[in-house]
Amino acid sequence: DAGITQSPRHKVTETGTPVTLRCHQTENHRYMYWYRQDPGHGLRLIHYSYGVKDTDKGEVSDGYSVSRSKTEDFLLTLESATSSQTSVYFCAISRRSGGQGNTIYFGEGSWLTVV
Amino acid sequence: SQQGEEDPQALSIQEGENATMNCSYKTSINNLQWYRQNSGRGLVHLILIRSNEREKHSGRLRVTLDTSKKSSSLLITASRAADTASYFCATETQGGSEKLVFGKGTKLTVNP
Repeated sequence: DAGITQSPRHKVTETGTPVTLRCHQTENHRYMYWYRQDPGHGLRLIHYSYGVKDTDKGEVSDGYSVSRSKTEDFLLTLESATSSQTSVYFCAISRRSGGQGNTIYFGEGSWLTVV
Repeated sequence: SQQGEEDPQALSIQEGENATMNCSYKTSINNLQWYRQNSGRGLVHLILIRSNEREKHSGRLRVTLDTSKKSSSLLITASRAADTASYFCATETQGGSEKLVFGKGTKLTVNP
């Protein structure tokens, strides 16, 4: 358990509305990520953050923005939700330990349906 | 773009049998990792193998890595119904990137 909490866990929203998903971590990790998971596509990185106010794009960033004003919170915003953004969204943090690689720990997911 | 590609996409076996899943990737890596996802849950890290390692064990899991073929395999021995899940490989590319790139996963069903 890496102390990751996502909210909301389930949301139904209308096309064209803005939506914000929140990821909260309790272990002061520097790196945080937002992935989306869709059938046939696996997990794809949307955005990631390497510190407060330091973010970068992943492979599917169009239509999404992120913010990180505090170490513990990483917000994902869908500026104007579309049906193609119906997905499961996972927040994650990374840990490096003792010469091992970068291991990712995931939250439980946020199910978003855009109607 | 997807770095890792798992094969097969789906696998159904009987309890007690071994399950083998394969992962191929495209670019040079620092390490390759395997994750498990139970239905409706987040992914959980299983095992990491570094690029200079060829084989690694953890309990009933055995991972191999062949960097010349850019491929890895995950073997689960003496499978149990509780092993039913999707399994994903993920690669950390060379260059010190903090991003992991995940494959599309293998859905394993272990029948009691």
